[in-house]
Amino acid sequence: NSKVIQTPRYLVKGQGQKAKMRCIPEKGHPVVFWYQQNKNNEFKFLINFQNQEVLQQIDMTEKRFSAECPSNSPCSLEIQSSEAGDSALYLCASSLPVSNERLFFGHGTKLSVL
Amino acid sequence: GDSVTQTEGLVTLTEGLPVMLNCTYQSTYSPFLFWYVQHLNEAPKLLLKSFTDNKRPEHQGFHATLHKSSSSFHLQKSSAQLSDSALYYCASYQGKLIFGQGTKLSIKP
Repeated sequence: NSKVIQTPRYLVKGQGQKAKMRCIPEKGHPVVFWYQQNKNNEFKFLINFQNQEVLQQIDMTEKRFSAECPSNSPCSLEIQSSEAGDSALYLCASSLPVSNERLFFGHGTKLSVL
Repeated sequence: GDSVTQTEGLVTLTEGLPVMLNCTYQSTYSPFLFWYVQHLNEAPKLLLKSFTDNKRPEHQGFHATLHKSSSSFHLQKSSAQLSDSALYYCASYQGKLIFGQGTKLSIKP
């Protein structure tokens, strides 16, 4: 069973609204990833952190999302102004900081933008 | 740029037949390769990963061989089971995990 906890499981927003989702990584995992899984089941990398620092993010994330991983609090990903094309499953994953280590995924937050 | 390619979007097989899902990659360096599986309404989870010493990883009857000469890491199983029906993703770690497009494996009785 996944020990990466994502909340909420489902999120419904209107266009232009903010949409915030949270992730508690597995204990002891300093690296956190966010991926977007679209309706075609394709994964898009959004951003990753090591401890509180952003390691990499794509252009879209930098422009339209707000993300953080504060110490002793859940990580969060927030879309500042939701668009219909943002409707997707947002997956959080955590791992140890080693390149061949597995990622542990949460069940995701399914966002529907009406 | 770095990428992972899975050419089959959907593979439908009869139970008991062999499975082979294709995966090729492009990378500046020699990456670590992974196969993840996602069952319906579940979180993706690791199925197997490549080793640095060229050993062939195996798990739950699945195996994959990393061929650097052809940049491939195809997933195989000798006999498909109904419970193998799921989405399968090949992935390469290059600073972040880069996923292929995914292959939906559907096993029929």
